[in-house]
Amino acid sequence: GAVVSQHPSWVICKSGTSVKIECRSLDFQATTMFWYRQFPKQSLMLMATSNEGSKATYEQGVEKDKFLINHASLTLSTLTVTSAHPEDSSFYICSARELRSGEQYFGPGTRLTVT
Amino acid sequence: EDKVVQSPLSLVVHEGDTVTLNCSYEVTNFRSLLWYKQEKKAPTFLFMLTSSGIEKKSGRLSSILDKKELFSILNITATQTGDSAIYLCAATFRETSGSRLTFGEGTQLTVNP
Repeated sequence: GAVVSQHPSWVICKSGTSVKIECRSLDFQATTMFWYRQFPKQSLMLMATSNEGSKATYEQGVEKDKFLINHASLTLSTLTVTSAHPEDSSFYICSARELRSGEQYFGPGTRLTVT
Repeated sequence: EDKVVQSPLSLVVHEGDTVTLNCSYEVTNFRSLLWYKQEKKAPTFLFMLTSSGIEKKSGRLSSILDKKELFSILNITATQTGDSAIYLCAATFRETSGSRLTFGEGTQLTVNP
């Protein structure tokens, strides 16, 4: 089956630093990947849609200069949280849409804690 | 604006009980409705529903879609403690390059022994 990986699975960083999270589709090509954020006891909130070779589309209220997205290949998208603050602490999940079928597959998530 | 609403938001039952989780949606160019189970990590896929009135079943779980009334239900019979999780439904709608998910708030199910 289609597998999506994320790295790292968890990360602790200090306020003001930047953190990069990778999302990879391991056995399929994905022209589109989605980045979600989930706070405790809440549902997944779509942050942005990442398109291979073009700029990401951000949801309303999500700062594009703070959450930098790069989708340089058909199997890799990265989310960089710049100048992280404690309120950015959250569970970040990516999903990848398979080129052939259009179905989405979720990564295992990355838990970010900003101290 | 596309919207997916789940109810109840939380539910506590005893082992052996049957539960019904609800999901209503308002989505332009609706394509499908998906149910996920989320424990500690990312959601795991349960069902995808595209046609009205056709029940999908997997063990003790079943789900059905009503495209006229714009809702879906997820049933779990003979619940077990391992069913404790957040259950998410998501509606997809057609975009030019595929489909996009809009999630509901989720139902937190707790099954007590």
